[in-house]
Amino acid sequence: GAVVSQHPSRVICKSGTSVKIECRSLDFQATTMFWYRQFPKQSLMLMATSNEGSKATYEQGVEKDKFLINHASLTLSTLTVTSAHPEDSSFYICSAPPLAGTDTQYFGPGTRLTVL
Amino acid sequence: AQSVTQPDIHITVSEGASLELRCNYSYGATPYLFWYVQSPGQGLQLLLKYFSGDTLVQGIKGFEAEFKRSQSSFNLRKPSVHWSDAAEYFCAVGAEWGGADGLTFGKGTHLIIQP
Repeated sequence: GAVVSQHPSRVICKSGTSVKIECRSLDFQATTMFWYRQFPKQSLMLMATSNEGSKATYEQGVEKDKFLINHASLTLSTLTVTSAHPEDSSFYICSAPPLAGTDTQYFGPGTRLTVL
Repeated sequence: AQSVTQPDIHITVSEGASLELRCNYSYGATPYLFWYVQSPGQGLQLLLKYFSGDTLVQGIKGFEAEFKRSQSSFNLRKPSVHWSDAAEYFCAVGAEWGGADGLTFGKGTHLIIQP
């Protein structure tokens, strides 16, 4: 089946630094990837949709300059949290939309970001 | 825009007892509905989904859900819970087939299993 991986699984960084999270489709090509954010013990919120070869589409209220998304290839999308602060600490999950002939999204395992 | 409400933040059930987790959605067109489970520190696992047809859908791990359009509900049920069912459960809705445009999630219900 289709597999989505994320790297790293956990990252701890100092306030003010930038952190890059990778989302890869391992055995299929994805022209679109979704990025979700999950605050501790809360729901997942769709942050943005990355599109291979074009700009990402951000949901209302998401800071584009804070959360830089790049869809560099058909198998890689990255989320960079710039100048991270403690309030950016969250669980970030990416997913790929259904492949042709299938009907469910493919979620990555998530990345736990802790900003000190 | 669609929205999902899970009115129960926490539910405690004795092992072996039946379970029902509530989910109400708001969406003007045909909704594509999902239930996911998330264990602590883990990613999401799809339990079941409803797109059309039979309103009672069967999923993995003995779960089922019933779509009721008149009540805008998609409640999740299990006849007999196991200790391993303790987790966070999320109901989600999508506007396109399979959630191809992204999903809107409810706030989740934390399930606690008593021995």
